[in-house]
Amino acid sequence: AQSVTQLGSHVSVSEGALVLLRCNYSSSVPPYLFWYVQYPNQGLQLLLKYTSAATLVKGINDFEAEFKKSETSFHLTKPSAHMSDAAEYFCAVRKGGGNKLTFGTGTQLKVEL
Amino acid sequence: GAVVSQHPSWVICKSGTSVKIECRSLDFQATTMFWYRQFPKQSLMLMATSNEGSKATYEQGVEKDKFLINHASLTLSTLTVTSAHPEDSSFYICSATRDSNYEQYFGPGTRLTVT
Repeated sequence: AQSVTQLGSHVSVSEGALVLLRCNYSSSVPPYLFWYVQYPNQGLQLLLKYTSAATLVKGINDFEAEFKKSETSFHLTKPSAHMSDAAEYFCAVRKGGGNKLTFGTGTQLKVEL
Repeated sequence: GAVVSQHPSWVICKSGTSVKIECRSLDFQATTMFWYRQFPKQSLMLMATSNEGSKATYEQGVEKDKFLINHASLTLSTLTVTSAHPEDSSFYICSATRDSNYEQYFGPGTRLTVT
């Protein structure tokens, strides 16, 4: 069964610093992996997705993630944090042969001046 | 494109009453819609999957008689919380997929508070 683990429920960075949010997956087959962002009292917005093509995936707002099979990881990075990046981030894996998603527990990103 | 709306965005109801939440795909036909609930500071938990014209498939532990899902058309799915209780208070989020596309498009969510 596919699942994802997000290490660190809270991450704090300074504005302009590197953002690194960790996600590890477990899957018996090549997975489809996603990163979503959620602002308070809002739905989820897709940042980027991995679909067995390029291992380095670029998303919106300068976010990117690298699929590393050897490490079963799909960590999310951004070179320079902005105050507007403060939000909850969820890693997700497509479950089974259908369209179901299994979400990680989320990481709250705080950006400080 | 691929916009999903939910109505209402927030609702307060009294214990014992029923509440209906609508999920609409505004610019595409949704072959499948999903309903999630999210407790404060927690992740999304899938409640059920619905396909147009057929019965919803509920996840283990979700009471299908309490959370009624109707997917009457390719653009509308509804979730009715029957005989709501305070423990049903949560953030309910729907999503939709189109055709065989695996990507889910999420609605903005509905905040339900049961008093």
